[in-house]
Amino acid sequence: NAGVTQTPKFQVLKTGQSMTLQCAQDMNHEYMSWYRQDPGMGLRLIHYSVGAGITDQGEVPNGYNVSRSTTEDFPLRLLSAAPSQTSVYFCASSQGQGREPQHFGDGTRLSIL
Amino acid sequence: GENVEQHPSTLSVQEGDSAVIKCTYSDSASNYFPWYKQELGKRPQLIIDIRSNVGEKKDQRIAVTLNKTAKHFSLHITETQPEDSAVYFCAAVRSGYALNFGKGTSLLVTP
Repeated sequence: NAGVTQTPKFQVLKTGQSMTLQCAQDMNHEYMSWYRQDPGMGLRLIHYSVGAGITDQGEVPNGYNVSRSTTEDFPLRLLSAAPSQTSVYFCASSQGQGREPQHFGDGTRLSIL
Repeated sequence: GENVEQHPSTLSVQEGDSAVIKCTYSDSASNYFPWYKQELGKRPQLIIDIRSNVGEKKDQRIAVTLNKTAKHFSLHITETQPEDSAVYFCAAVRSGYALNFGKGTSLLVTP
């Protein structure tokens, strides 16, 4: 039981490049979400999903896309990277939306030059 | 939407003393209040949570209290140890919605 697995752990991109951050969980959790963490800003919700085929926007969705084709996977896509997207990204999953503890992945540290 | 305020942003205590972190929330319908601990460079990890039908919950040296009327909840750590040094986040949510986190409290426990 690996929990929530994020890849890659580190990534450096140039402005304008695109990439996908991967997130997978093996706990059969319905609810998955993506957060970004910036100094002094706490954890801000980017996008979330309450089940396969269903996604919704969080607090800071601009510049990011998500999809949820399976229960296990919830990738986050940066369409055209900008320096303002330099951050640490965390994926999380839980049994129920907002009612159960969230399990976080180890995070992806992303730098945009 | 829900707005969670967390205070203080930094807290320094001596080993053995108690530490208290306070959070307020805006949505009276919020019914789940977790606390996460994040060590440097690591993932946030749940340390304790409380639901709106409970006023207090304790787990060894940590406890959380909830005042629904005043819409605030607090984390209490007793007999602090250096390994308690970390950033602590509170969150509040109502069923069917996403967690809203406070901005965090950096706790330093000095020997």
